[in-house]
Amino acid sequence: SQKIEQNSEALNIQEGKTATLTCNYTNYSPAYLQWYRQDPGRGPVFLLLIRENEKEKRKERLKVTFDTTLKQSLFHITASQPADSATYLCALRSNYQLIWGAGTKLIIKP
Amino acid sequence: GAVVSQHPSWVICKSGTSVKIECRSLDFQATTMFWYRQFPKQSLMLMATSNEGSKATYEQGVEKDKFLINHASLTLSTLTVTSAHPEDSSFYICSARDNFGTGNYNEQFFGPGTRLTVL
Repeated sequence: SQKIEQNSEALNIQEGKTATLTCNYTNYSPAYLQWYRQDPGRGPVFLLLIRENEKEKRKERLKVTFDTTLKQSLFHITASQPADSATYLCALRSNYQLIWGAGTKLIIKP
Repeated sequence: GAVVSQHPSWVICKSGTSVKIECRSLDFQATTMFWYRQFPKQSLMLMATSNEGSKATYEQGVEKDKFLINHASLTLSTLTVTSAHPEDSSFYICSARDNFGTGNYNEQFFGPGTRLTVL
């Protein structure tokens, strides 16, 4: 069956450290994968998109990697700040649809 | 950046009544809008794709007669939950693509969501 999985447990990281979130998928061949941030009671906000032929994409303190062999994307936030605390969702494009993971809650402790 | 608004942000209604949720793209035109539902700690579930000037495309398992979608203009789509029941209580989120912009075509801009509680 097709699945997209993110760690359901909250990730606690000390301020200043690098936070790494994981998105794994099975039985998909996505053209691209996106990462979004969602704050409580709010809609998701687009962060980064990485295509199947790209290994890595960066935007300021954010970095996304995409390994189509492992069927995995990693999302990194360097020099993390309490304001980075939110739920981070990955979504992959398959058959003209976006398929969403359930998200991982990230907590950055001061 | 592209902004999508939703109204209302929250609504409480009695079982059996109908509720209309509006989704507007404020500074861009959106040929396509999407309606999602999200339960606590769960992923976004696409309900339907709303196309301006034509009928919406519903996902499998979504009752089109219960969730009425109208996309009358390039900046407005509405979702009406008819004869709402407690199990319809959820967080409803719309999104839109800026089909005519120069940015990333694949980026979806999300509204802030509408919390529906049916008593």
